[in-house]
Amino acid sequence: GESVGLHLPTLSVQEGDNSIINCAYSNSASDYFIWYKQESGKGPQFIIDIRSNMDKRQGQRVTVLLNKTVKHLSLQIAATQPGDSAVYFCAGGGGATNKLIFGTGTLLAVQP
Amino acid sequence: EPEVTQTPSHQVTQMGQEVILRCVPISNHLYFYWYRQILGQKVEFLVSFYNNEISEKSEIFDDQFSVERPDGSNFTLKIRSTKLEDSAMYFCASSGLAGAFEQYFGPGTRLTVT
Repeated sequence: GESVGLHLPTLSVQEGDNSIINCAYSNSASDYFIWYKQESGKGPQFIIDIRSNMDKRQGQRVTVLLNKTVKHLSLQIAATQPGDSAVYFCAGGGGATNKLIFGTGTLLAVQP
Repeated sequence: EPEVTQTPSHQVTQMGQEVILRCVPISNHLYFYWYRQILGQKVEFLVSFYNNEISEKSEIFDDQFSVERPDGSNFTLKIRSTKLEDSAMYFCASSGLAGAFEQYFGPGTRLTVT
């Protein structure tokens, strides 16, 4: 039958556990990567960024890891809370205009 | 905290009609963008705008699309003759000084073409 849209990968975690959301990218020319959080009916919300010459960056409760060898990016969320439930996108950016190329997204479902 | 705003939140239009989506970027930002997201899919780049001109556009941004910054605060996206496949969420984003790559997104306009 006809499919409508893409089926997002889903990560289901218990409240208080740590979450790891993964992203594979293909554009090696990206100067930086950003993780965005998108709640239902809202625009993407900036979480954390990392430059391509770094391999780790930490924020408040979040850590981003970048492995350029295998073109892989991850977002770790410590002590996941119900308010963290959302779709998480990675995006690569760079070039003269800094346009962002978004990944497919992962739905994080936090169970209380 | 400054934020990007967009109007309307939802626009319903008939195929072939023109629509204008409006955005007010963060006031001291210099770079402006439009993205779209078809339901259930990823966010796609449409166009970037800097110094009162288009700096880059994607293949999606064909002759039916145009952008304008008519005054010091608004940034608009016009679709001249809408098609069914233009139905999507349209997000405006802005970023600040050169080298500051963090883009702030508005809440989006849901465009429904019938």
